[in-house]
Amino acid sequence: AQKITQTQPGMFVQEKEAVTLDCTYDTSDQSYGLFWYKQPSSGEMIFLIYQGSYDEQNATEGRYSLNFQKARKSANLVISASQLGDSAMYFCAMRERGNTPLVFGKGTRLSVIA
Amino acid sequence: DTGVSQDPRHKITKRGQNVTFRCDPISEHNRLYWYRQTLGQGPEFLTYFQNEAQLEKSRLLSDRFSAERPKGSFSTLEIQRTEQGDSAMYLCASSLVGANSGANVLTFGAGSRLTVL
Repeated sequence: AQKITQTQPGMFVQEKEAVTLDCTYDTSDQSYGLFWYKQPSSGEMIFLIYQGSYDEQNATEGRYSLNFQKARKSANLVISASQLGDSAMYFCAMRERGNTPLVFGKGTRLSVIA
Repeated sequence: DTGVSQDPRHKITKRGQNVTFRCDPISEHNRLYWYRQTLGQGPEFLTYFQNEAQLEKSRLLSDRFSAERPKGSFSTLEIQRTEQGDSAMYLCASSLVGANSGANVLTFGAGSRLTVL
């Protein structure tokens, strides 16, 4: 079974608007971490935001916030005030118990339109 | 600190040849990971090291693949007798794991793109 599911292969958003990228995960562990990375066309994976399974507050980092719904096993990324430079692939990832390697979803390609 | 460096950035080779990729992690990081990414997919875990010890290998890492981190600093990933199916981006990442290292965030390099003809 897929550990990380990103159901949106591609998304379009108007510049300055907000956009939500979906991510659902599958784990039986109680302790886990969820990550979002951005991959521009240059190829480098850029860390955006992290949410621990025991964190009570949704994580926020500047224009990025993570809508964490534990019961639904979803960890959606919200980007506010989209910019042209936000156009990239976005990957959701999970680390289960301890420090096991990150498992990534297939990604969502975001295109910001002027 | 210049981040995670990978070399070469691009490699084109003929089927059956051997190739080697190098990764220089962030100097204070004790963990180093190798991932493979094919077109339209997310990165897939291959192997990781803590210092010089190789702690886990994925089933994706066939016996044609070998990775080393001899002094706990840089790492090499060698692919012997390359096949067309090995064509991919090979990503290296490093992290600091310890008592107060928090989320163990991976910092990635820009990748080494392999094309096998």
